[in-house]
Amino acid sequence: EVQLVESGGGLVQPGGSLRLSCAASGFTFTQSAMSWLRQAPGKGLEWVSYISGSGATLYADSVKGRFSISRDNSKNTLYLQMNSPRAEDTAVYFCANNDILTGFEYWGQGVLVTVSS
Amino acid sequence: DIQMTQSPSSLSASVGDRVTITCRASQSIDRYLNWYQQKPGKAPKLLIYAASSLQGGVPSRFSGSGSGTDFTLTINSLQPEDFATYYCQQSYNTPPWTFGQGTKVEIK
Repeated sequence: EVQLVESGGGLVQPGGSLRLSCAASGFTFTQSAMSWLRQAPGKGLEWVSYISGSGATLYADSVKGRFSISRDNSKNTLYLQMNSPRAEDTAVYFCANNDILTGFEYWGQGVLVTVSS
Repeated sequence: DIQMTQSPSSLSASVGDRVTITCRASQSIDRYLNWYQQKPGKAPKLLIYAASSLQGGVPSRFSGSGSGTDFTLTINSLQPEDFATYYCQQSYNTPPWTFGQGTKVEIK
């Protein structure tokens, strides 16, 4: 059974930092591209960042230069380092596997990040 | 960026109804179009990928069609568990991969 379990969310001050984790199991993580997506309260879905199996990365313009995606294939874990977050980054963050043909097939349960002083 | 526009934004329907949701892309995306269902407090669930391929385990009352810029999700014989919000998403070429604004299907 495929499982993606996010952790690390919570309250963070504007300009602070926070690291989200996503533990993967049930599929070949090392060969899978992964993404972070988010959903602001009461809003729609937004793709945030992508990392290929070999470590190539891409970012949405809204987070470029502030967020950093990485992976540890030895731990089957995906990360999102959130630096200098803003109030508008407040959202539930999801990790998902990423395939050009099938889109985002498996999703984690989501973790809430609240940016507020 | 490719903009995705869904219509309607919401609809009311009864159990047993046939429901159709449309999604339009701002440029051609071939058949790189996926549909998701999301229930409150839950992660989205992939229903349809590549415009018309049914994801494993998804009931056959769900179907998708279209190519280029215009796409449709159809739910035949709406069931109580189908009341949710539905999103289209394009996975064409390089990011950003974008979603429609969502269509909320409510009970009439």
